[in-house]
Amino acid sequence: GAGVSQSPRYKVTKRGQDVALRCDPISGHVSLYWYRQALGQGPEFLTYFNYEAQQDKSGLPNDRFSAERPEGSISTLTIQRTEQRDSAMYRCASSYSASGELFFGEGSRLTVL
Amino acid sequence: GESVGLHLPTLSVQEGDNSIINCAYSNSASDYFIWYKQESGKGPQFIIDIRSNMDKRQGQRVTVLLNKTVKHLSLQIAATQPGDSAVYFCAHGGNYGGSQGNLIFGKGTKLSVKP
Repeated sequence: GAGVSQSPRYKVTKRGQDVALRCDPISGHVSLYWYRQALGQGPEFLTYFNYEAQQDKSGLPNDRFSAERPEGSISTLTIQRTEQRDSAMYRCASSYSASGELFFGEGSRLTVL
Repeated sequence: GESVGLHLPTLSVQEGDNSIINCAYSNSASDYFIWYKQESGKGPQFIIDIRSNMDKRQGQRVTVLLNKTVKHLSLQIAATQPGDSAVYFCAHGGNYGGSQGNLIFGKGTKLSVKP
């Protein structure tokens, strides 16, 4: 596609529910990144992949958060047993190579009630 | 530890004037720095980057300056235009065998351009 596509754009869920956020990177981009951005703050790194391999997950807050990219293209960020503190904008980015410029998507805004 | 911060949270400039946005970092081992522009409701957009072996890099109407001695980074925008109004983030690139994926962002400076 023309850019990084994320879905859903908005997700409202009740505390305790699981959510899955999807990222479709720019075609041909090797690397894919997940960030979380609180209002008025800069994005905070969560995890990234080169192809299907998860290279770094040091930014995932706890074991309720997981991500996968099974075929080296689309990625899913899953949050289990959501809590109110999980509410944020979740942004995906991709880059052509591991050292290339990051292109960010427009994000998925998660609200946990 | 690694951290990136900004001196000024807001900046208001007259259209046509030059803008300077500042950023400080704490990790002297940092070797890659990037400026992003984020418009309301959109994702961050890459503006310009610089590596630690340089102290200045120019793009179209933008210049990034790096002072490693005082661990300071700045973004200069020449002839600021209304379309430049946005939040600007500096970020430090992590080191994963060359990957720039683990970016550490500052809090952002909001630039407002008065017509």
